[in-house]
Amino acid sequence: AQSVAQPEDQVNVAEGNPLTVKCTYSVSGNPYLFWYVQYPNRGLQFLLKYITGDNLVKGSYGFEAEFNKSQTSFHLKKPSALVSDSALYFCAVRDKEFGQNFVFGPGTRLSVLP
Amino acid sequence: ETGVTQSPTHLIKTRGQQVTLRCSSQSGHNTVSWYQQALGQGPQFIFQYYREEENGRGNFPPRFSGLQFPNYSSELNVNALELDDSALYLCASSFGTSGPQETQYFGPGTRLLVL
Repeated sequence: AQSVAQPEDQVNVAEGNPLTVKCTYSVSGNPYLFWYVQYPNRGLQFLLKYITGDNLVKGSYGFEAEFNKSQTSFHLKKPSALVSDSALYFCAVRDKEFGQNFVFGPGTRLSVLP
Repeated sequence: ETGVTQSPTHLIKTRGQQVTLRCSSQSGHNTVSWYQQALGQGPQFIFQYYREEENGRGNFPPRFSGLQFPNYSSELNVNALELDDSALYLCASSFGTSGPQETQYFGPGTRLLVL
């Protein structure tokens, strides 16, 4: 069965510092990995996805993520955090055998402190 | 913002009642998926509709049902509401069932409170 873990409930970082939000996954086939962000009282906004190819994926708002097959990880990163990046971040996975539907992690709350 | 809209934004019901939530998909999208997001948790897949037929279902009881209309909008119906049904209900649209690489675009959600 597919599963996604986000080992940190909360990540705090100072504005201007680099940020990392961690994600590890378990799938039976090749993984298709996604990151979404959720602002208060809003739906999920798509940030980026890994399908195949380059292990470093660039997405919206300056975010990027690094796919590591040996460590089954897909960590979200940003070189310089903004206060406006404060939100709830979800990692999600699909695999070919499972079809269209996402399995989401529990979420990580990112707080960027001014 | 995506072009996915949901109504209503908030809803309060009592146990045992029935509720209908609505979703309009983004222009050009013909697939709608529904998710339940309980407080403090990640979204959980309920079911998906493609071309007016159910195309996959998560671990939810039959009292959760849905419809998709010819214009690809969709409804989620929940019968015999329970307190644990209190959650944010998210609709997501995408194009076709071309594969798991397809991005889903989410609406703002409907927050349901069951008393």
